[in-house]
Amino acid sequence: DTAVSQTPKYLVTQMGNDKSIKCEQNLGHDTMYWYKQDSKKFLKIMFSYNNKELIINETVPNRFSPKSPDKAHLNLHINSLELGDSAVYFCASSQDSPNYGYTFGSGTRLTVV
Amino acid sequence: GESVGLHLPTLSVQEGDNSIINCAYSNSASDYFIWYKQESGKGPQFIIDIRSNMDKRQGQRVTVLLNKTVKHLSLQIAATQPGDSAVYFCAENSGGYQKVTFGTGTKLQVIP
Repeated sequence: DTAVSQTPKYLVTQMGNDKSIKCEQNLGHDTMYWYKQDSKKFLKIMFSYNNKELIINETVPNRFSPKSPDKAHLNLHINSLELGDSAVYFCASSQDSPNYGYTFGSGTRLTVV
Repeated sequence: GESVGLHLPTLSVQEGDNSIINCAYSNSASDYFIWYKQESGKGPQFIIDIRSNMDKRQGQRVTVLLNKTVKHLSLQIAATQPGDSAVYFCAENSGGYQKVTFGTGTKLQVIP
């Protein structure tokens, strides 16, 4: 059983399109995250939700909109895709405690052409 | 060998040797630190963590050392194996709600 699963694994799309990435965790964690990893492997947090509530919203264009229908799911919708959005997007989850690290999904490689 | 993870450097180590990966963290208020391993095509995987009230913690073949005076973290891997080849990230918890900031990563290449 995959603990944090994201779909799709690969996404190739044209500029201007709208796309969504889905994430689900079966660990019973309270907090979920979206991270963006650029071509130099730098990981930057985008959003964090705790029990369906947005708690971290970094400086991200408002074309990116997270949605958490329940605490096991955190989806990422991106409007009007741009070339610079090409990256690997990772979903992660963690216990609601400072004593644990993250469990990451396997990533979604988004390529905007 | 050792390396500083300021940009993505590569550390090449002979199989069986020990590896030391270094990390300089930024926030003196950070109280929780984690090392992650990211293999090609996969997400980062938790290796070991340490809280700021400790200066050393050991796991299986891995040791993390924390020097708060100079804001330095290191990961030591004993008897490095080919399966250890990956990018290694240090991360610090610098926010109240588990806002974890990642370092820039170090690529470890194990030479058979």
